[in-house]
Amino acid sequence: SAVISQKPSRDICQRGTSLTIQCQVDSQVTMMFWYRQQPGQSLTLIATANQGSEATYESGFVIDKFPISRPNLTFSTLTVSNMSPEDSSIYLCSVGLQGGEKLFFGSGTQLSVL
Amino acid sequence: GENVEQHPSTLSVQEGDSAVIKCTYSDSASNYFPWYKQELGKGPQLIIDIRSNVGEKKDQRIAVTLNKTAKHFSLHITETQPEDSAVYFCAAPRGGGTSYGKLTFGQGTILTVHP
Repeated sequence: SAVISQKPSRDICQRGTSLTIQCQVDSQVTMMFWYRQQPGQSLTLIATANQGSEATYESGFVIDKFPISRPNLTFSTLTVSNMSPEDSSIYLCSVGLQGGEKLFFGSGTQLSVL
Repeated sequence: GENVEQHPSTLSVQEGDSAVIKCTYSDSASNYFPWYKQELGKGPQLIIDIRSNVGEKKDQRIAVTLNKTAKHFSLHITETQPEDSAVYFCAAPRGGGTSYGKLTFGQGTILTVHP
């Protein structure tokens, strides 16, 4: 597996503001993803973070709301923009290893929007 | 896309008993099925997975079985311990076939093991 570190681990934010979440991996990985876990719910894929090109977003998620950067093979950021209380969730960075088949998660960022 | 249904939503057992969680999937092309354990305040941890070319896989007290014909797979935990208490998620490749990191998750099962 890999060590996947996320910062911050939690934050409380005011509506209308933005928060950038950082994800650092201890080895170079090709596949990196961002998932969301709403309170008491399952996990939903937000986007694939592509190194050197624009992220690929899943249905229901757009770049203006969740801009993603991937400057190299060990680092990515997810920004939650113009936040509302509905954005209160756990945001999880993940990497695909062993040919991309196995998915490993970071510890997550718990976001509360007031 | 893939649709994954997971049951039960909650499961309470006595220490030493067995626990079984079941999932069904919709896309017959899916060929990889992982299970994750999520403890409070932590990210999901991959605990076992199975590929569609086998029917069963074991790792100590944990096993996963797969029925491709019926399109369902199950997690079996034997001799449960209080530290097995957590939320368990099943998953399947989002677009069928191999996941390449893109998974559709079940709704989760809250397992409580009473001492």
